[in-house]
Amino acid sequence: AQKVTQAQTEISVVEKEDVTLDCVYETRDTTYYLFWYKQPPSGELVFLIRRNSFDEQNEISGRYSWNFQKSTSSFNFTITASQVVDSAVYFCALSGRVSTGYQKVTFGIGTKLQVIP
Amino acid sequence: GAVVSQHPSRVICKSGTSVKIECRSLDFQATTMFWYRQFPKQSLMLMATSNEGSKATYEQGVEKDKFLINHASLTLSTLTVTSAHPEDSSFYICSARGQRTQGANYGYTFGSGTRLTVV
Repeated sequence: AQKVTQAQTEISVVEKEDVTLDCVYETRDTTYYLFWYKQPPSGELVFLIRRNSFDEQNEISGRYSWNFQKSTSSFNFTITASQVVDSAVYFCALSGRVSTGYQKVTFGIGTKLQVIP
Repeated sequence: GAVVSQHPSRVICKSGTSVKIECRSLDFQATTMFWYRQFPKQSLMLMATSNEGSKATYEQGVEKDKFLINHASLTLSTLTVTSAHPEDSSFYICSARGQRTQGANYGYTFGSGTRLTVV
């Protein structure tokens, strides 16, 4: 079974602070994908990153960076110099192949980030 | 590329009526569509998965007769909430996967969601 754990349900930081959102996953698949999505108050899901299980290189995109560590089954997300516009719920997700053959995406419970001006 | 249009964005209906939600892939062929439900302040829970031309596969605990899913073409999937009740009020969001989905979010493009309120 797949499982995604986001232990932090809510985080508040002051603008310009760095913040790291934790994600720990469980899967029996050898090939899988990890995702981060942002959900602003309007509700739509904004794709941030997709990472293949074979690619453990860390990635940086502007103020966003991701640390994938297979040894600890973690895929953490760091926002540097946070801004008020970063306030949203962030979901970590995992997809793997299930017995029926298609890939199923499992979401974590989400971390609500509030950036205080 | 890889755009999924979901309609309507908001709907209010009376208890006992049925509501249809559409999910369209605009620039790619969606071989698989996923339907999720999200209650306030909770995560997205997968309801069902549909492959074009075949019956949807429902997750455990989801009533297939209540949540009818049709995936008749490679660009359209619909979710019909039949005989809706207030407890069905939720945020419903679809996701589409295509064999050659373009863009960075290869394989998993989400619609903008539908907020259903049953009164």
